[in-house]
Amino acid sequence: EVKLVESGGGLVQPGGSLRLSCAASGFTFSSHWMIWVRQIAGRGLEWVATIKQDGSEEYYVDSVKGRFKIARDNAKNSLYLQMNRLRAEDTAVYYCARGAGWLPDSWGQGILVAVS
Amino acid sequence: EIVLTQSPGTLSLSPGEGATLSCRASQTVVNNYLAWFQQKPGQAPRLLIYNVFIRATGIPDRFSGSGSGTDFTLSISRLEPEDFAVYYCHQSAYSPLTFGGGTKVEIK
Repeated sequence: EVKLVESGGGLVQPGGSLRLSCAASGFTFSSHWMIWVRQIAGRGLEWVATIKQDGSEEYYVDSVKGRFKIARDNAKNSLYLQMNRLRAEDTAVYYCARGAGWLPDSWGQGILVAVS
Repeated sequence: EIVLTQSPGTLSLSPGEGATLSCRASQTVVNNYLAWFQQKPGQAPRLLIYNVFIRATGIPDRFSGSGSGTDFTLSISRLEPEDFAVYYCHQSAYSPLTFGGGTKVEIK
């Protein structure tokens, strides 16, 4: 069974930093693209970032470029999102997702990041 | 950026009725990289359909997807109580990946 568990969320002041982690199990982590998606409360979904299996390629939505960095540790089956210079508009539930190619096919339960 | 526009915003139906949800893309979604997700309150989205019409593992056959180019449809043949939720379409053909604004299927 695919399992993705996010951690590291919480309340942070504007301009601050936070690092999200996602622990993966139940599949061969190193064989999949991995993805972060966020959802502002009561609103739709926004793709945030994607990283290739070996970490050699990264893609970001424009609004986080230069502030967020996606990373992975295949030895630890873990995905990360380093978030710097946080803004109020970054407040959302952040989901870690496994990629089937670029398609997020399995999702974690989500973690709340509140910037205030 | 491909903009996905979903309609209607809300669909009020009774259990047993059929539902038709629309997703229109601002440009052609190549390779049919169009998917549908279901989300219930307090839960993560769940993949229902990918590559326009392929059901994900464990998804009942009352869910079906169709369409091509810029116009796509998710159909639910007979609504079960557990189908009342928000549905999102999604394209993974181009970066940035994008989602539609969602259609809420609510109990009438």
